[in-house]
Amino acid sequence: DGGITQSPKYLFRKEGQNVTLSCEQNLNHDAMYWYRQDPGQGLRLIYYSQIVNDFQKGDIAEGYSVSREKKESFPLTVTSAQKNPTAFYLCASTTGTGSNQPQHFGDGTRLSIL
Amino acid sequence: SQQGEEDPQALSIQEGENATMNCSYKTSINNLQWYRQNSGRGLVHLILIRSNEREKHSGRLRVTLDTSKKSSSLLITASRAADTASYFCATDNAGNNRKLIWGLGTSLAVNP
Repeated sequence: DGGITQSPKYLFRKEGQNVTLSCEQNLNHDAMYWYRQDPGQGLRLIYYSQIVNDFQKGDIAEGYSVSREKKESFPLTVTSAQKNPTAFYLCASTTGTGSNQPQHFGDGTRLSIL
Repeated sequence: SQQGEEDPQALSIQEGENATMNCSYKTSINNLQWYRQNSGRGLVHLILIRSNEREKHSGRLRVTLDTSKKSSSLLITASRAADTASYFCATDNAGNNRKLIWGLGTSLAVNP
């Protein structure tokens, strides 16, 4: 089955630690996105990538970094500079590069502070 | 930045009743999408409606779009307990059509 796989499902971060969230898709989609969702809130865009080796900052990129070395993979690193990382992180992908196509989502990673 | 605003924030109905959720937005759009999110899960795409369309159906779902009022509604008919979820609208961004702008969602509870 084609889809998006996010791992791990739950992640705990210690003070001063960087952690990396994995996102893999086998849908052959060009564009991939990382969102942050806080309780009772909508989705806020962290980073997005339209093509391999290229990515753009979203609305809340500070304290996060990404890479796009392969079409299938778009990992997100939450750095120690992100002072409030506790949230639900969602990865999505879409065919094409515009916003006129549905986005397909993984099942998220819930990040908490130890 | 948030563009879409869903209304109501929360809705509780009995199984079999219809549920209506509304979404308002601020800028001109090319399309508007509705998504469902079950608790602790990712979002699932429901319907995309383009700016030149007024109404779209998918099974028990009916979406309308009024571009003059910058608003959309999602109607779920004959609701089921399995429809319990949060529902989000998302619009494209006239200034950057590579991103979606998301509303804060409507939390729907369908009681058996």
